[in-house]
Amino acid sequence: KNQVEQSPQSLIILEGKNCTLQCNYTVSPFSNLRWYKQDTGRGPVSLTIMTFSENTKSNGRYTATLDADTKQSSLHITASQLSDSASYICVVNRGSTLGRLYFGRGTQLTVWP
Amino acid sequence: DAGVIQSPRHEVTEMGQEVTLRCKPISGHNSLFWYRQTMMRGLELLIYFNNNVPIDDSGMPEDRFSAKMPNASFSTLKIQPSEPRDSAVYFCASSPDRNQPQHFGDGTRLSIL
Repeated sequence: KNQVEQSPQSLIILEGKNCTLQCNYTVSPFSNLRWYKQDTGRGPVSLTIMTFSENTKSNGRYTATLDADTKQSSLHITASQLSDSASYICVVNRGSTLGRLYFGRGTQLTVWP
Repeated sequence: DAGVIQSPRHEVTEMGQEVTLRCKPISGHNSLFWYRQTMMRGLELLIYFNNNVPIDDSGMPEDRFSAKMPNASFSTLKIQPSEPRDSAVYFCASSPDRNQPQHFGDGTRLSIL
């Protein structure tokens, strides 16, 4: 069964601290994996998109890693800011001509001053 | 550049009524997606168009839901008749092609009483 599981479900950290969000998937065959950030009341915004051959990809203070062998990905946020408070969603694209997208339930991150 | 534009932003209506949600994708984007997001189920893909043609509608919950894309700059999602369980935030997204990051609109918050 094609699934995407994210952990933790929610996380609270202090401003300036680092954190890591996890995404495990069973989607097969794999095409790519995406991380989105969703602010409250807004649509998701793409942070990174990684294909099978990419292990690490950075976007400013956000760094995503991918281990296609273990089917795990992580999103590391460095020096967190209050504006990082949001839901972070992991999405896996199943590889095929009509490949489908499989969504995690998201990790709700709250950054406190 | 204007992003994905959705209307209305909020819709409140009584059950049994017809609801039409509208989306204008980013100019030049060939892929258009309709999503539904709820607290219980997270983000779900309803239907995906490529070059105005519906490619994957397996996420459409039932026959009460229909989507059209009469041209490259406009799409609608219609619910008829609406039911309280249809209450959710509906997002439209577009991308240059299916494997590129998607750009989301700010969604339509639908409440069916």
